[in-house]
Amino acid sequence: DIQMTQSPSSLSASVGDRLTITCQASQDISHYLNWYQQKPGKAPKLLIYAASNLETGVPSRFSGRGSGTDFTFTISSLQPEDIATYYCQQYDILPITFGPGTTVDIK
Amino acid sequence: QVQLVQSGAEVKKPGASVKLSCKASGYTFTTNAVHWVRQTPGQGLEWMGIINPSGAGTSYSRKFQGRITMTADTSTDTVFLEVTSLRYDDTAVYYCARVMCDVDCSDVFDIWGQGTIVTVSS
Repeated sequence: DIQMTQSPSSLSASVGDRLTITCQASQDISHYLNWYQQKPGKAPKLLIYAASNLETGVPSRFSGRGSGTDFTFTISSLQPEDIATYYCQQYDILPITFGPGTTVDIK
Repeated sequence: QVQLVQSGAEVKKPGASVKLSCKASGYTFTTNAVHWVRQTPGQGLEWMGIINPSGAGTSYSRKFQGRITMTADTSTDTVFLEVTSLRYDDTAVYYCARVMCDVDCSDVFDIWGQGTIVTVSS
């Protein structure tokens, strides 16, 4: 199975800050990488698919890049409503696997 | 609007079975495969398997093989997940999630159900 790691596991930032989360796959997954946002008590929400494509309706402050084994997810200007846990997910090979998540809160 | 609506919370005893439902609306049910993902505090998000409602083909995670069954009812646009021989560590929130289909379909989960809490307790 492909193992997904994320760093950091949690971070605190100020409103307006730029923040970046990294995700690493245990083997080459090309661009088959998605990012989800999950708020407490809610289902995950798709933000970025195929490494760098912004899902319809998602604010442009969210972005993703990378290919192969190394990926990044960026929020260009953190907003209070971005407080959540963010997960990466690979879909190159079954079983689909998720990263452990990065929890973002406001400093 | 496009949505997946899941059945309500369940409390089961160890060794029992549970059957969860996920009703689709707002799109053509047979176009998009549906995955099941569960979330536990200890294991995070865990993929369980996929069902293609058009032909009812399935693929299950090795971890759950033999203990889960996914089915689809095209007359009610509903997919089901049955888990047997429940254990304490099956306590989790179970989500169904739809595969994104654009030019083609890929395992990108663009629509999620609201989740069903399953508690295994004696």
